[in-house]
Amino acid sequence: GAVVSQHPSRVICKSGTSVKIECRSLDFQATTMFWYRQFPKQSLMLMATSNEGSKATYEQGVEKDKFLINHASLTLSTLTVTSAHPEDSSFYICSARATIKEGEQYFGPGTRLTVT
Amino acid sequence: GNSVTQMEGPVTLSEEAFLTINCTYTATGYPSLFWYVQYPGEGLQLLLKATKADDKGSNKGFEATYRKETTSFHLEKGSVQVSDSAVYFCALYTGTASKLTFGTGTRLQVTL
Repeated sequence: GAVVSQHPSRVICKSGTSVKIECRSLDFQATTMFWYRQFPKQSLMLMATSNEGSKATYEQGVEKDKFLINHASLTLSTLTVTSAHPEDSSFYICSARATIKEGEQYFGPGTRLTVT
Repeated sequence: GNSVTQMEGPVTLSEEAFLTINCTYTATGYPSLFWYVQYPGEGLQLLLKATKADDKGSNKGFEATYRKETTSFHLEKGSVQVSDSAVYFCALYTGTASKLTFGTGTRLQVTL
């Protein structure tokens, strides 16, 4: 159990366009979802925390207007990278938490974004 | 604030060698500790966890013991396999922060 999917797994977009990444919890309801960005040297950076039905909480230094997060239901969160630039190219990973269970999060397989 | 420090990688071992990946932490409160593993091209998977001092987490031959006195949670495996090649992340969670704090990850490469 506790499977999290992401779609798409890979996306290439042109500079200036927007791209949406979906994160779904397949067999449980996720009260909280997290979005991470992973840099080439493997470091994982938390971008934002989203709770269903409320606004996302962004980490310091993450642009809210650039990285739009919507957690519309207990099984779906989306990350939209607006007006993408090459420096936004990265590996984006979401995770989901079913309950306040001591930090156990279930991670999606990640989305590789390349902005040309 | 909370932080996790992992040994720098990459770690390269021959198959059947003994593995240790060091992890130390700084936290306010009483954290739970985790090891996550990331295989190439994939997301993270929970490998093991420990929620209080002296607890030992174990899974797939990997072990880690929560040492409060040394604020450490070192990952060990007695005999690694090529299939263990991955990036390993140490992480902590506190209710105060309500989020995981990750170390920078340690890449393990196991060769025949």
